Amino acid sequence: GDSVTQMEGPVTLSEEAFLTINCTYTATGYPSLFWYVQYPGEGLQLLLKATKADDKGSNKGFEATYRKETTSFHLEKGSVQVSDSAVYFCALKINTNAGKSTFGDGTTLTVKP
Amino acid sequence: DTEVTQTPKHLVMGMTNKKSLKCEQHMGHRAMYWYKQKAKKPPELMFVYSYEKLSINESVPSRFSPECPNSSLLNLHLHALQPEDSALYLCASSQDWALSSYNEQFFGPGTRLTVL
Repeated sequence: GDSVTQMEGPVTLSEEAFLTINCTYTATGYPSLFWYVQYPGEGLQLLLKATKADDKGSNKGFEATYRKETTSFHLEKGSVQVSDSAVYFCALKINTNAGKSTFGDGTTLTVKP
Repeated sequence: DTEVTQTPKHLVMGMTNKKSLKCEQHMGHRAMYWYKQKAKKPPELMFVYSYEKLSINESVPSRFSPECPNSSLLNLHLHALQPEDSALYLCASSQDWALSSYNEQFFGPGTRLTVL
């Protein structure tokens, strides 16, 4: 079946540090890939997405590139801020699975000033 | 308007109570979803409505009863819940569900449910 594996957290960084959160996937079809962010006490928000190989999604300084050869979609940001503290979920979705999203377990990021 | 709204924000109920969660979107989306999320865990899909018809029920116990009165509204009726049902219940919508994997889901802020 389809699955998403994220690096285990929690991740604690100092402000302005470089962020990488690893995400790899297995899929029976050809997936679209997503990163969602969940701030404390809130629902999920789409952060970025990529729908085909070599696409790069970007938003708010975050980037992720769809790597089919390594089945990965790692999230990066060059300089994190305290306001980036949240839980980050990697997810995939394929047409043949009735539009269901498969989520990773989430990675908690804490950024300290 | 790119917002999904949910009411109430918090709900405390006893095991014999009947309550309802409400979700609304005005983006013209034809797919709506209910998810259950436990602390520090990813959302778990419960139900999917497509064009106001129930398309997916992920083997959810019958004490949870979804309803889609129209294309903008989604309800979740709760009856005889158990303490282990305490969780954050998230509603989401997307433009479509069956034909495209490109459609992102827009999530509401959730209802924090506590069952005593």
